[in-house]
Amino acid sequence: EVQLVESGGALVHPGGSLRLSCAASGFRFSNYDMNWVRQAPGKGLEWVSFISDSGSTTYFADSVRGRFTVSRDNARNSLFLQMESLRADDTAIYYCAREVVVGRPFDYWGPGTLVTVSS
Amino acid sequence: IQMTQSPSSLSAFVGDGVTITCRASQGISSALAWYQQEPGRAPKLLVYSASILQSGVPSRFSGTGSGTDFSLTISSLQPDDSATYYCQQLNSYPYTFGQGTKLEIK
Repeated sequence: EVQLVESGGALVHPGGSLRLSCAASGFRFSNYDMNWVRQAPGKGLEWVSFISDSGSTTYFADSVRGRFTVSRDNARNSLFLQMESLRADDTAIYYCAREVVVGRPFDYWGPGTLVTVSS
Repeated sequence: IQMTQSPSSLSAFVGDGVTITCRASQGISSALAWYQQEPGRAPKLLVYSASILQSGVPSRFSGTGSGTDFSLTISSLQPDDSATYYCQQLNSYPYTFGQGTKLEIK
């Protein structure tokens, strides 16, 4: 069974840093591109970041570029999102999601982890 | 690429059919997916490549469209169809979502 489980969400002060993790199981993690998507409280979905299966290619939303980095450890079936210079508008549930080749949709999502940026 | 969904909300009775539309600000071929999100849950993939039903999704759900105009139709509504529905373009990064359509089942 495919499972994605995020962790690392917390309350952090503006300007602070946080590292989110996503543990994958039930599939060959190294074969799949992965994404991070976030959802502010009561708001819609916002795509945040992409990383290719090998980790060699990454993309970011304009809203986080230069502040967030994405990485993965295929040996440990783990995806990471390093977040720096956090702002109040980064407050959201952060989901990791698996991207499939055909059509590139996100077919599996984790339950999400909550990041709150507040003083 | 901006994605505009309509309506933003709608309500319907059990057994009714509804259609949600999604318009892209530029052509995206058939690179569009639809997701369903129940309150407090992660999104669930319903349709990809504009019209291909994800495995396990009831055939009451169907997607059509290409280029800039797309639609998701749900026929014979069931109580557990109450959710928010999002479209997402997968043609180019950033992979933008529509703003969502909240469906209430009366």
